[in-house]
Amino acid sequence: AQKITQTQPGMFVQEKEAVTLDCTYDTSDQSYGLFWYKQPSSGEMIFLIYQGSYDEQNATEGRYSLNFQKARKSANLVISASQLGDSAMYFCAMREANTGNQFYFGTGTSLTVIP
Amino acid sequence: EAQVTQNPRYLITVTGKKLTVTCSQNMNHEYMSWYRQDPGLGLRQIYYSMNVEVTDKGDVPEGYKVSRKEKRNFPLILESPSPNQTSLYFCASSLPGLSSYNEQFFGPGTRLTVL
Repeated sequence: AQKITQTQPGMFVQEKEAVTLDCTYDTSDQSYGLFWYKQPSSGEMIFLIYQGSYDEQNATEGRYSLNFQKARKSANLVISASQLGDSAMYFCAMREANTGNQFYFGTGTSLTVIP
Repeated sequence: EAQVTQNPRYLITVTGKKLTVTCSQNMNHEYMSWYRQDPGLGLRQIYYSMNVEVTDKGDVPEGYKVSRKEKRNFPLILESPSPNQTSLYFCASSLPGLSSYNEQFFGPGTRLTVL
């Protein structure tokens, strides 16, 4: 079974609008961490935000926030006030504490911000 | 500057010709990892290492070897490359464990083409 599922291969959003990128995960561990990375067309991987399984509050980093619903095993990334520079691939990833720190990535969502 | 370096950045080779992609980090991270990125498949972990002389298989280890003789270096070895190993490869490093401080830092990527 897929550990990380991103069901939106491509998304479009109007500049200055908010957008939600979906991520669901599969784990039987109680202790795990969820990460979001951005990959612009230049290719580098940029860390955006982290949510721990025991964190009670949803993580926020500037315009990025994580809508963490533990019971549903979802960790959706919300980007507020989209900018043209947000156009990129976005990857959700998980690290489980009990599997020797193996990382699992989703297949990514390509976001295009329309002026 | 804290960074992960990979060399070469681009490589075109032929089937069966052994090659090594080097990876080095200057952040004293215990954890290092190799990924391959293919369109529609996201990033898949090849091998990872929790510390010197400790390596583990990820999801797609077939056809690859790694070694971790020093903390800072984690080379990826393709003993007999085949065309299905044509891909974009990333090296990454991090502290072990789960926290927002344990994000993975990625190298710039190596684009490998096997003819």
